[in-house]
Amino acid sequence: GAGVSQSPSNKVTEKGKDVELRCDPISGHTALYWYRQSLGQGLEFLIYFQGNSAPDKSGLPSDRFSAERTGGSVSTLTIQRTQQEDSAVYLCASSTRGEGEAFFGQGTRLTVV
Amino acid sequence: GQQLNQSPQSMFIQEGEDVSMNCTSSSIFNTWLWYKQDPGEGPVLLIALYKAGELTSNGRLTAQFGITRKDSFLNISASIPSDVGIYFCAGQSGATNAGKSTFGDGTTLTVKP
Repeated sequence: GAGVSQSPSNKVTEKGKDVELRCDPISGHTALYWYRQSLGQGLEFLIYFQGNSAPDKSGLPSDRFSAERTGGSVSTLTIQRTQQEDSAVYLCASSTRGEGEAFFGQGTRLTVV
Repeated sequence: GQQLNQSPQSMFIQEGEDVSMNCTSSSIFNTWLWYKQDPGEGPVLLIALYKAGELTSNGRLTAQFGITRKDSFLNISASIPSDVGIYFCAGQSGATNAGKSTFGDGTTLTVKP
């Protein structure tokens, strides 16, 4: 596809369950980012992948959060034992290099009930 | 950590009016970005600024990278109804993890026809 694709677009899960969110970046983009956006707030950085370098995980809020990027392309963000405060829109973005403009997907709206 | 103060938080204007919003930071950034987010969508890049003092235009939008590298503003001239949305500034330090952006909390723009 032409843009960043995220799935699912919406996810409702019960507290305590694990969830996986998927991101397909734009083909050829070496950098991939995950952000979290709570209602009425700006974007909160979570994790950043750049090529084959070790990811920058400094934004992950707890050890329940993890992310992988396989083959330098698709990325999965996993949240274990979800809590209600995890409810937010999770946005993925990619770029051709590690700085400057990034292209965002539509996000996954996660609701923990 | 780095924080961006974006103002105003919201604006209600009449169609045809000009708009100005700004971001300030306590830290220096090497790149300033301005994004617009429509409901249910991810942010879309409007303007990217890479040099202190740089003034860049994109149609009715003009943005400047402050000389101190701690601030940026975005102006929209002759607003139209489709300008409605949330505008975010973002800064990048351009250091070892160049793609990691710090976002402001956004300016919600409402344009009355």
